[in-house]
Amino acid sequence: DAKTTQPNSMESNEEEPVHLPCNHSTISGTDYIHWYRQLPSQGPEYVIHGLTSNVNNRMASLAIAEDRKSSTLILHRATLRDAAVYYCILRDPGGTSYGKLTFGQGTILTVHP
Amino acid sequence: DVKVTQSSRYLVKRTGEKVFLECVQDMDHENMFWYRQDPGLGLRLIYFSYDVKMKEKGDIPEGYSVSREKKERFSLILESASTNQTSMYLCASSLSGFGQRGDTQYFGPGTRLTVL
Repeated sequence: DAKTTQPNSMESNEEEPVHLPCNHSTISGTDYIHWYRQLPSQGPEYVIHGLTSNVNNRMASLAIAEDRKSSTLILHRATLRDAAVYYCILRDPGGTSYGKLTFGQGTILTVHP
Repeated sequence: DVKVTQSSRYLVKRTGEKVFLECVQDMDHENMFWYRQDPGLGLRLIYFSYDVKMKEKGDIPEGYSVSREKKERFSLILESASTNQTSMYLCASSLSGFGQRGDTQYFGPGTRLTVL
């Protein structure tokens, strides 16, 4: 399975942009890049996903490198509510994946007031 | 909005008890999943189901079984609970069926199970 590498932790100040990096050098051509986050005492929630092109939604933007070996989740203006563990996940490419997600350790984002 | 609910937020059981964790989703999703989450180990998949009465083992199925008699409900069963099954249990569902890629999983709030 293709793996992802993320920094263990990052810090930001409120209302500043945050760029959360993810390396996935062994990504296959059909792997989607997913980002989820987990707020304290809650289950993970979907943030965004993409394949090749950059993606935007109301929560965040996803910038995907041209060679797809890395990606960056961008929170344009961090709020205290964005403090969470952020997971970068590649979809299991196996034929019997059934949509299985393999979570790594993620990045703990701390947002300072 | 998709809603995934789990029967309990907190549960305390004794070693050897049979434990049922229930999960219900309200969006007619085909796939349902059970994970456990432990500090330092992240989320690990226990079992998943892609249709009623269909199930597949995940990465750590030992000591667990599952049941999916109705599309909206997926139960995780600990036949004889042990202390090493103390964990946070998370249920999730997703829309797409077999072999689909790029679909989104929706998670419940989790059940924190303590086995004494």
